[in-house]
Amino acid sequence: EADIYQTPRYLVIGTGKKITLECSQTMGHDKMYWYQQDPGMELHLIHYSYGVNSTEKGDLSSESTVSRIRTEHFPLTLESARPSHTSQYLCASSERTEQYFGPGTRLTVT
Amino acid sequence: GESVGLHLPTLSVQEGDNSIINCAYSNSASDYFIWYKQESGKGPQFIIDIRSNMDKRQGQRVTVLLNKTVKHLSLQIAATQPGDSAVYFCATRDSGNTPLVFGKGTRLSVIA
Repeated sequence: EADIYQTPRYLVIGTGKKITLECSQTMGHDKMYWYQQDPGMELHLIHYSYGVNSTEKGDLSSESTVSRIRTEHFPLTLESARPSHTSQYLCASSERTEQYFGPGTRLTVT
Repeated sequence: GESVGLHLPTLSVQEGDNSIINCAYSNSASDYFIWYKQESGKGPQFIIDIRSNMDKRQGQRVTVLLNKTVKHLSLQIAATQPGDSAVYFCATRDSGNTPLVFGKGTRLSVIA
Protein backbone atom coordinates (compact mmCIF):
# COMPACT_ATOMS: atom_id res chain seq x y z
CA GLU A 1 0.00 0.00 0.00
CA ALA A 2 1.48 3.32 -1.09
CA ASP A 3 1.66 6.21 1.36
CA ILE A 4 0.52 9.10 -0.74
CA TYR A 5 -2.13 11.52 0.45
CA GLN A 6 -4.27 14.14 -1.21
CA THR A 7 -6.39 16.86 0.34
CA PRO A 8 -9.11 17.83 0.04
CA ARG A 9 -10.84 14.73 -1.32
CA TYR A 10 -13.76 16.81 -2.58
CA LEU A 11 -13.97 20.53 -3.31
CA VAL A 12 -16.74 22.72 -4.69
CA ILE A 13 -15.66 26.26 -5.48
CA GLY A 14 -16.87 29.26 -7.44
CA THR A 15 -15.45 30.57 -10.69
CA GLY A 16 -12.45 32.85 -10.32
CA LYS A 17 -11.25 31.50 -6.99
CA LYS A 18 -7.65 30.51 -6.39
CA ILE A 19 -7.22 26.97 -5.12
CA THR A 20 -4.37 24.75 -4.06
CA LEU A 21 -4.60 20.98 -4.11
CA GLU A 22 -2.27 19.27 -1.67
CA CYS A 23 -0.25 16.10 -2.24
CA SER A 24 2.18 14.48 0.14
CA GLN A 25 4.07 11.19 0.12
CA THR A 26 6.08 9.53 2.86
CA MET A 27 8.10 7.15 0.70
CA GLY A 28 10.95 9.53 -0.03
CA HIS A 29 10.32 9.32 -3.77
CA ASP A 30 12.11 11.90 -5.89
CA LYS A 31 9.57 11.79 -8.72
CA MET A 32 6.06 13.20 -8.36
CA TYR A 33 3.27 13.83 -10.85
CA TRP A 34 -0.10 15.51 -11.25
CA TYR A 35 -2.75 14.13 -13.60
CA GLN A 36 -6.21 15.32 -14.58
CA GLN A 37 -8.82 12.66 -15.25
CA ASP A 38 -12.46 12.85 -16.28
CA PRO A 39 -14.50 9.84 -15.00
CA GLY A 40 -13.38 6.60 -16.65
CA MET A 41 -11.21 8.46 -19.12
CA GLU A 42 -7.47 8.56 -19.68
CA LEU A 43 -5.08 10.40 -17.42
CA HIS A 44 -3.59 13.63 -18.74
CA LEU A 45 -0.26 14.73 -17.31
CA ILE A 46 -0.35 18.28 -15.94
CA HIS A 47 3.00 18.70 -14.20
CA TYR A 48 5.80 16.54 -12.89
CA SER A 49 8.92 16.87 -10.79
CA TYR A 50 12.03 14.76 -10.56
CA GLY A 51 13.33 16.39 -7.42
CA VAL A 52 13.35 19.42 -5.15
CA ASN A 53 13.29 22.74 -7.04
CA SER A 54 12.72 20.89 -10.32
CA THR A 55 9.37 21.01 -12.12
CA GLU A 56 8.28 20.29 -15.68
CA LYS A 57 5.09 20.95 -17.62
CA GLY A 58 2.93 18.22 -19.03
CA ASP A 59 0.20 18.38 -21.64
CA LEU A 60 -2.34 20.44 -19.66
CA SER A 61 -0.12 22.73 -17.66
CA SER A 62 -1.01 26.17 -18.99
CA GLU A 63 -3.61 27.04 -16.35
CA SER A 64 -1.88 25.75 -13.24
CA THR A 65 1.39 25.91 -11.36
CA VAL A 66 3.29 23.61 -9.02
CA SER A 67 6.14 23.88 -6.58
CA ARG A 68 8.55 21.36 -5.10
CA ILE A 69 10.24 22.86 -2.08
CA ARG A 70 10.31 19.63 -0.10
CA THR A 71 10.70 16.08 -1.37
CA GLU A 72 7.47 14.90 0.21
CA HIS A 73 5.21 17.77 -0.87
CA PHE A 74 3.98 18.69 -4.37
CA PRO A 75 1.04 21.15 -4.32
CA LEU A 76 -0.91 22.14 -7.44
CA THR A 77 -2.37 25.66 -7.72
CA LEU A 78 -5.11 26.94 -10.01
CA GLU A 79 -4.87 30.71 -10.03
CA SER A 80 -8.41 31.29 -11.28
CA ALA A 81 -10.78 28.33 -11.28
CA ARG A 82 -13.14 27.87 -14.23
CA PRO A 83 -15.96 25.37 -14.87
CA SER A 84 -13.68 23.66 -17.41
CA HIS A 85 -11.42 22.72 -14.47
CA THR A 86 -14.13 20.46 -13.08
CA SER A 87 -12.46 17.06 -12.97
CA GLN A 88 -10.58 14.61 -10.80
CA TYR A 89 -6.97 15.43 -9.99
CA LEU A 90 -4.60 12.57 -9.22
CA CYS A 91 -1.19 12.86 -7.65
CA ALA A 92 1.43 10.12 -8.01
CA SER A 93 4.99 9.44 -6.98
CA SER A 94 7.63 6.99 -8.08
CA GLU A 95 11.13 5.88 -7.29
CA ARG A 96 12.00 4.41 -10.67
CA THR A 97 9.18 3.33 -13.00
CA GLU A 98 6.04 2.19 -11.16
CA GLN A 99 3.91 5.15 -10.10
CA TYR A 100 1.92 5.06 -6.85
CA PHE A 101 -1.28 7.07 -6.93
CA GLY A 102 -3.13 8.97 -4.27
CA PRO A 103 -6.94 8.75 -3.88
CA GLY A 104 -7.55 11.90 -5.92
CA THR A 105 -9.29 15.23 -5.41
CA ARG A 106 -12.65 15.65 -7.11
CA LEU A 107 -13.00 19.34 -8.02
CA THR A 108 -16.23 21.01 -9.06
CA VAL A 109 -16.15 24.64 -10.21
CA THR A 110 -19.54 26.33 -10.27
CA GLY B 1 5.32 11.41 -29.45
CA GLU B 2 3.89 8.38 -27.71
CA SER B 3 0.27 7.47 -28.02
CA VAL B 4 -1.39 4.60 -26.28
CA GLY B 5 -4.83 3.24 -26.98
CA LEU B 6 -7.14 0.39 -26.14
CA HIS B 7 -9.11 -1.60 -28.68
CA LEU B 8 -12.37 -1.84 -26.72
CA PRO B 9 -13.85 0.68 -24.31
CA THR B 10 -15.96 -1.92 -22.44
CA LEU B 11 -15.70 -5.64 -21.78
CA SER B 12 -18.27 -7.87 -20.09
CA VAL B 13 -17.32 -11.37 -18.92
CA GLN B 14 -18.97 -14.11 -16.91
CA GLU B 15 -17.62 -14.76 -13.48
CA GLY B 16 -15.06 -17.53 -13.66
CA ASP B 17 -14.16 -16.89 -17.30
CA ASN B 18 -10.82 -15.49 -18.41
CA SER B 19 -10.60 -11.81 -19.45
CA ILE B 20 -8.30 -10.35 -22.05
CA ILE B 21 -7.79 -6.61 -22.27
CA ASN B 22 -5.78 -5.27 -25.20
CA CYS B 23 -3.65 -2.21 -25.73
CA ALA B 24 -1.81 -0.81 -28.74
CA TYR B 25 1.09 1.59 -28.56
CA SER B 26 2.82 3.58 -31.26
CA ASN B 27 6.41 4.18 -30.17
CA SER B 28 8.67 1.28 -31.05
CA ALA B 29 11.29 2.74 -28.67
CA SER B 30 9.05 2.27 -25.61
CA ASP B 31 10.95 0.29 -23.01
CA TYR B 32 8.50 -0.18 -20.17
CA PHE B 33 4.82 -1.12 -19.98
CA ILE B 34 2.45 -1.23 -17.05
CA TRP B 35 -1.16 -2.08 -16.28
CA TYR B 36 -3.25 -0.29 -13.70
CA LYS B 37 -6.67 -1.06 -12.23
CA GLN B 38 -8.91 1.80 -11.14
CA GLU B 39 -12.00 1.26 -9.05
CA SER B 40 -14.67 3.90 -8.78
CA GLY B 41 -13.62 6.81 -6.58
CA LYS B 42 -10.05 5.59 -6.17
CA GLY B 43 -6.68 6.23 -7.73
CA PRO B 44 -5.16 3.70 -10.14
CA GLN B 45 -3.51 0.67 -8.55
CA PHE B 46 -0.55 -1.21 -9.99
CA ILE B 47 -1.33 -4.65 -11.40
CA ILE B 48 1.71 -5.81 -13.33
CA ASP B 49 4.51 -4.43 -15.48
CA ILE B 50 6.89 -5.68 -18.12
CA ARG B 51 10.04 -4.41 -19.73
CA SER B 52 10.74 -4.47 -23.43
CA ASN B 53 13.30 -7.24 -23.11
CA MET B 54 10.54 -9.66 -22.10
CA ASP B 55 7.44 -10.92 -23.92
CA LYS B 56 5.53 -12.44 -21.02
CA ARG B 57 5.23 -11.93 -17.31
CA GLN B 58 2.93 -13.61 -14.84
CA GLY B 59 1.52 -12.52 -11.53
CA GLN B 60 -1.23 -13.80 -9.33
CA ARG B 61 -4.12 -14.57 -11.75
CA VAL B 62 -2.74 -12.02 -14.22
CA THR B 63 -0.46 -12.33 -17.21
CA VAL B 64 0.90 -9.56 -19.40
CA LEU B 65 1.95 -10.33 -22.95
CA LEU B 66 4.05 -7.99 -25.04
CA ASN B 67 4.33 -8.24 -28.81
CA LYS B 68 6.87 -5.67 -29.91
CA THR B 69 6.55 -6.63 -33.57
CA VAL B 70 2.99 -5.31 -33.77
CA LYS B 71 3.31 -2.96 -30.78
CA HIS B 72 0.61 -4.69 -28.80
CA LEU B 73 0.18 -5.35 -25.10
CA SER B 74 -2.45 -7.49 -23.42
CA LEU B 75 -3.58 -8.21 -19.89
CA GLN B 76 -5.06 -11.59 -19.16
CA ILE B 77 -7.04 -12.16 -15.97
CA ALA B 78 -7.72 -15.78 -15.07
CA ALA B 79 -10.96 -16.86 -13.40
CA THR B 80 -12.39 -13.35 -13.37
CA GLN B 81 -14.12 -12.39 -10.14
CA PRO B 82 -16.67 -9.66 -9.33
CA GLY B 83 -13.89 -7.78 -7.54
CA ASP B 84 -12.08 -7.46 -10.86
CA SER B 85 -14.76 -5.07 -12.11
CA ALA B 86 -12.97 -1.78 -12.74
CA VAL B 87 -11.41 0.35 -15.43
CA TYR B 88 -8.06 -0.95 -16.64
CA PHE B 89 -5.38 1.30 -18.09
CA CYS B 90 -2.22 0.45 -19.91
CA ALA B 91 0.66 2.90 -19.83
CA THR B 92 4.01 3.01 -21.51
CA ARG B 93 7.21 4.96 -21.31
CA ASP B 94 9.60 6.11 -23.98
CA SER B 95 13.16 5.04 -23.46
CA GLY B 96 14.86 7.25 -20.93
CA ASN B 97 13.59 9.26 -18.01
CA THR B 98 10.15 10.27 -19.27
CA PRO B 99 6.75 10.10 -17.55
CA LEU B 100 4.27 7.33 -18.29
CA VAL B 101 1.71 7.89 -21.04
CA PHE B 102 -1.71 6.40 -20.27
CA GLY B 103 -4.26 4.91 -22.64
CA LYS B 104 -7.98 5.61 -22.57
CA GLY B 105 -9.02 2.71 -20.37
CA THR B 106 -11.25 -0.36 -20.70
CA ARG B 107 -14.16 -0.88 -18.33
CA LEU B 108 -14.38 -4.52 -17.26
CA SER B 109 -17.76 -5.68 -15.98
CA VAL B 110 -18.04 -9.11 -14.39
CA ILE B 111 -21.43 -10.80 -14.65
CA ALA B 112 -22.21 -13.02 -11.70
